[in-house]
Amino acid sequence: QVQLVQSGAEVKKPGASVKVSCKASGYTFTAFYMHWVRQAPGQGLEWMGWINPNSGGTNFAQKFQGRVSMTRDTSISTAYMELDRLRSDDTAVYFCTRGGCSGSDCFTESNLDQWGQGTQITVSS
Amino acid sequence: DIQMTQSPSTLSASVGDRVTITCRASQSISSWLAWYQQKPGKAPKFMIYDASSLESGVPSRFSGSGSGTEFTLTISSLQPDDLATYYCQQYNSYPYSFGQGTKLEIK
Repeated sequence: QVQLVQSGAEVKKPGASVKVSCKASGYTFTAFYMHWVRQAPGQGLEWMGWINPNSGGTNFAQKFQGRVSMTRDTSISTAYMELDRLRSDDTAVYFCTRGGCSGSDCFTESNLDQWGQGTQITVSS
Repeated sequence: DIQMTQSPSTLSASVGDRVTITCRASQSISSWLAWYQQKPGKAPKFMIYDASSLESGVPSRFSGSGSGTEFTLTISSLQPDDLATYYCQQYNSYPYSFGQGTKLEIK
């Protein structure tokens, strides 16, 4: 079965960086986009961007441009999201989530069909 | 960017009730809409895609409808396990956007 297993919770100081990992299993890692979505305490869901694990290409929400990077290691089927210059309002649970397919095209706009368990990132001085 | 607005924000209903949640898009998104269920402390669960198609394994009491800018999620007979927050999401264009969520409470 498809599984996305994320790294553990972290506490960071303002201005620091954080890197979250997401290990995929149960499917061909390079055949689907991997998206990242975050959820601040008591708030809704916010899309951050995606990485194409096959090509390494990325697409970020403008809000995070210049501060986020998404990478992958295909040898271990793992995607990474790194967020720089952390602020207190970056405190949130960060989810990796697999992009679905539209017909036979799995590299297009689609729903988010599998989710990791989430990683709590706390930014505090 | 496309804004998604859900109503109501909170809904209290009894077991067996028919429940409807509405999601509106700020511009037409055709049928490129998904619904997710999130229980406290858990990741969202994918439920419905393309506005009205049920994901495999989702109980048939859930259904979705709509196109263009107005969409609904309906639970035909509310069950205790349905206690959760429900989110709509558009995937017509980037950046993806979600509704603010509807918290469903059981009376």
